[in-house]
Amino acid sequence: AQSVTQLDSQVPVFEEAPVELRCNYSSSVSVYLFWYVQYPNQGLQLLLKYLSGSTLVKGINGFEAEFNKSQTSFHLRKPSVHISDTAEYFCAVNTNAGKSTFGDGTTLTVKP
Amino acid sequence: EAGVAQSPRYKIIEKRQSVAFWCNPISGHATLYWYQQILGQGPKLLIQFQNNGVVDDSQLPKDRFSAERLKGVDSTLKIQPAKLEDSAVYLCASSLGDREIDGYTFGSGTRLTVV
Repeated sequence: AQSVTQLDSQVPVFEEAPVELRCNYSSSVSVYLFWYVQYPNQGLQLLLKYLSGSTLVKGINGFEAEFNKSQTSFHLRKPSVHISDTAEYFCAVNTNAGKSTFGDGTTLTVKP
Repeated sequence: EAGVAQSPRYKIIEKRQSVAFWCNPISGHATLYWYQQILGQGPKLLIQFQNNGVVDDSQLPKDRFSAERLKGVDSTLKIQPAKLEDSAVYLCASSLGDREIDGYTFGSGTRLTVV
């Protein structure tokens, strides 16, 4: 079985500050990892994904994430956030034989 | 490219009534998923279709939920009878391949309130 834990339910930051949204997973097999963003009253949009290769993955809107196998983590980062980044962020884990399991989300609030 | 279409956007019903949601995936996407997202939680998979066949419905409460994708294109999810705990956003997603590693494209969801 696989599971995902998003360590922070809410992250408030000021505009232009850096941000890190934390995600830890557990799985007995190799995993694929995803970050999705959900704006109010919208569906989820894929930000980035790690399948294999380089552990640093770059996504849309200036976000990046680093896969750390030893710490079973896949934290999302952005060096300078904008007001428009205010949204809910979901980490998801998947194995090739299974289905995606989502974390419970982190609400990022960017303040002026 | 048109996105995943869902309707209605909002629905309010009384408990024990029935309700149906519709989803039209991206053209050419063989795999379609229905997720339930309860407030404050991540999406939970209800059912996965590959073309018009069910791949996984292990988490679907089959005593009250049903879903179909008769022609392998659009899909309908039904709840009958609804319970208060069914209040949630129902998300439809599709993917090109039959593996989740392709990533999903989600619709905007249907927000169901059961009173």
